[in-house]
Amino acid sequence: SQQGEEDPQALSIQEGENATMNCSYKTSINNLQWYRQNSGRGLVHLILIRSNEREKHSGRLRVTLDTSKKSSSLLITASRAADTASYFCAAGGTSYGKLTFGQGTILTVHP
Amino acid sequence: NAGVMQNPRHLVRRRGQEARLRCSPMKGHSHVYWYRQLPEEGLKFMVYLQKENIIDESGMPKERFSAEFPKEGPSILRIQQVVRGDSAAYFCASFLGDEQYFGPGTRLTVT
Repeated sequence: SQQGEEDPQALSIQEGENATMNCSYKTSINNLQWYRQNSGRGLVHLILIRSNEREKHSGRLRVTLDTSKKSSSLLITASRAADTASYFCAAGGTSYGKLTFGQGTILTVHP
Repeated sequence: NAGVMQNPRHLVRRRGQEARLRCSPMKGHSHVYWYRQLPEEGLKFMVYLQKENIIDESGMPKERFSAEFPKEGPSILRIQQVVRGDSAAYFCASFLGDEQYFGPGTRLTVT
């Protein structure tokens, strides 16, 4: 079954505002990862949070994980036009690292 | 991540032809994942290989698709008798610990 369902599907904000994206998954995980993809390009790894962690920060990124609700959120603070991209969560559920991706959130940051 | 190499970056095939996609993992990595991304969707796991072994091919279509990772040389994803529905971006990744490093992808267009 598909894990990593995300909402919203699309998010449009002004530069300087915060952007929050949510992800839900269905089964047990070892970790939850977030990736960014610019249009027509490859994936860039943003942050990984392990199943025994609740919150993690990296620069302007803040990720939370609630394993009881099987959900995660990605917060981008003080957004910039360069943050415009698609953002995907990916659930890591096996020992060898197989990832199950969500459908993604398309973020547009207007200058 | 620039360390994972894929070629070609773009591939155009007519219906019925064969497509061969190549992936070289990061130096020192002996594991490769292949994922497929259909337009406007997230990535879907296809196959996980170690050198000379297929570990998990649960995401591979039963017909026309095959993958290998020989002792020497890159991993190959082979699609025989391509159809329009095979048009997608195909990404490979190698991993270190829990984090997967993705190549730039091969965009396959079937005309």
